Amino acid sequence: GQNIDQPTEMTATEGAIVQINCTYQTSGFNGLFWYQQHAGEAPTFLSYNVLDGLEEKGRFSSFLSRSKGYSYLLLKELQMKDSASYLCAVRDQDNDMRFGAGTRLTVKP
Amino acid sequence: DTAVSQTPKYLVTQMGNDKSIKCEQNLGHDTMYWYKQDSKKFLKIMFSYNNKELIINETVPNRFSPKSPDKAHLNLHINSLELGDSAVYFCASSQFTSGSFLETQYFGPGTRLLVL
Repeated sequence: GQNIDQPTEMTATEGAIVQINCTYQTSGFNGLFWYQQHAGEAPTFLSYNVLDGLEEKGRFSSFLSRSKGYSYLLLKELQMKDSASYLCAVRDQDNDMRFGAGTRLTVKP
Repeated sequence: DTAVSQTPKYLVTQMGNDKSIKCEQNLGHDTMYWYKQDSKKFLKIMFSYNNKELIINETVPNRFSPKSPDKAHLNLHINSLELGDSAVYFCASSQFTSGSFLETQYFGPGTRLLVL
């Protein structure tokens, strides 16, 4: 079957760094996406990886290892507004997006 | 100037009714999608549609049908609503480029459907 696994909840302190992991098993691979979703709102695009390695975008970075079926989202200099759910999604060989259940991140002062 | 919009934002209805949710995108994208996000926050694709092809997730009941009057719209019709249809439904759009994987999807604000 196809699985995309992420931790359900994480807590971190304002100003700190947090890493959210995602492991996947899908039918083929055409890219991995990270989305941020605030409570009651739509997901918004954060990052995209298709090749192995690290993609950096300001305070957010995303890493991919295709051989291990693994990605992480790294958030630096955490701010209170970063409290949200973070969704890992993989595009499979049919170009369908498969989403994980999301990791709810709580940033505390 | 909203990129992807959906109406209504909230929909409360009785079991057995037929309802529609509208989606419009002004990004000039050629592919649109409908997703269902259930109470456990799983976001599952229901349909993807461009001007050439409708792809249906095989787990979606045939009570659900997408209708696209033009490239900028993909409406979702639901017949004989059931309690289990209660969820948040998200519309999304992207621009397909052959040979490219850079298809970022842009989501609408969601429609919260409650079936009583």
